[in-house]
Amino acid sequence: AQKVTQAQTEISVVEKEDVTLDCVYETRDTTYYLFWYKQPPSGELVFLIRRNSFDEQNEISGRYSWNFQKSTSSFNFTITASQVVDSAVYFCALGTSGAGSYQLTFGKGTKLSVIP
Amino acid sequence: DTGVSQNPRHKITKRGQNVTFRCDPISEHNRLYWYRQTLGQGPEFLTYFQNEAQLEKSRLLSDRFSAERPKGSFSTLEIQRTEQGDSAMYLCASSQVGGDSPLHFGNGTRLTVT
Repeated sequence: AQKVTQAQTEISVVEKEDVTLDCVYETRDTTYYLFWYKQPPSGELVFLIRRNSFDEQNEISGRYSWNFQKSTSSFNFTITASQVVDSAVYFCALGTSGAGSYQLTFGKGTKLSVIP
Repeated sequence: DTGVSQNPRHKITKRGQNVTFRCDPISEHNRLYWYRQTLGQGPEFLTYFQNEAQLEKSRLLSDRFSAERPKGSFSTLEIQRTEQGDSAMYLCASSQVGGDSPLHFGNGTRLTVT
């Protein structure tokens, strides 16, 4: 069975601080995909990034960066120089294609509040 | 690309009534998914279609729930004899074929059963 754990329920930071959101996953599949989504107060889930299990290269996109480590089954997300617009709930999700299943398993989310 | 569209945005119904939600996916996406999200939780998978075929259903999808995707375009999710426990946000998403294809979500339909 697949499982995603986001241990941080809520985080508050002051604007311009860096913040890291943790994600730990469990799966027995050797091929899997990891995602981060942002859910602002408006409610729509916004896709941020996708990572394949065979590609551990970290990625940076502007103020966002992701650290994928298979050895610790973690896929952490760092926001540098946070802004008020970053305030949202962030979800980590795991997708596997074993037996043709294409569902995503989501963590419970981390609510990030950036205080001006 | 106009995004995934869901209607209605909000639905309030009395226990025991039937409700139906509609989802229009991104036009070039073959796959369509339904998820349910309750307060403080991540979305939970309900079912998915590839074109018009319903290929997978979660155990969360009781007999009172039925989903269709006629002609492989829009989809409907019907809940019969609603219960208070059905109150949640119902999210629709679509994607292209491929295990690593990201899901693109709609704004959801918030159901309140009184």
